[in-house]
Amino acid sequence: SQQGEEDPQALSIQEGENATMNCSYKTSINNLQWYRQNSGRGLVHLILIRSNEREKHSGRLRVTLDTSKKSSSLLITASRAADTASYFCATDESAGGTSYGKLTFGQGTILTVHP
Amino acid sequence: DTEVTQTPKHLVMGMTNKKSLKCEQHMGHRAMYWYKQKAKKPPELMFVYSYEKLSINESVPSRFSPECPNSSLLNLHLHALQPEDSALYLCASSQDTYGNNSPLHFGNGTRLTVT
Repeated sequence: SQQGEEDPQALSIQEGENATMNCSYKTSINNLQWYRQNSGRGLVHLILIRSNEREKHSGRLRVTLDTSKKSSSLLITASRAADTASYFCATDESAGGTSYGKLTFGQGTILTVHP
Repeated sequence: DTEVTQTPKHLVMGMTNKKSLKCEQHMGHRAMYWYKQKAKKPPELMFVYSYEKLSINESVPSRFSPECPNSSLLNLHLHALQPEDSALYLCASSQDTYGNNSPLHFGNGTRLTVT
């Protein structure tokens, strides 16, 4: 399996519900980032969490990081139809605390929020 | 709208053609990247430029040739491509390279079709 695997691959919810996406990775990291991509467009950075942080919030987004389990989760609260997009986690892999200088993206979760 | 501008938005080229993709940012970012994204897949890193020097080449075939004329511009020269090279090509920039916890800013990409 690959660095940055996400689960579920697809998630369909109703407006107002919460959406949770999970990301697992294999190596040591400097940070983990979440991005959003609307169909056929570029990616938009949502949030960055450093390896020494456990939780971070930004508006309706909450990200957790568990380096012992090599996993992260993205929670979107009170979802809206406009949140419909693909969501990717991305890891800045490191060794001995030094970044490799590469950001590797997970397979992504396709989120559909029904009005 | 994105602060990273990519041109053209769409490109159709034959296998014997030579074409170039262009990317421009005016945010004063010192790192720039090319990613390739196939349908329903995550972006895959191709090249990284740091302070106008090529720092990472992910074993990309020589038919793809990057160029960074200055800190604001990034080109990708294409020659003798194959149909399997058809994809969305994404340019991104960051204030500094990954090791300094800099998120990526993406353009909306060039949709390339090789016939």
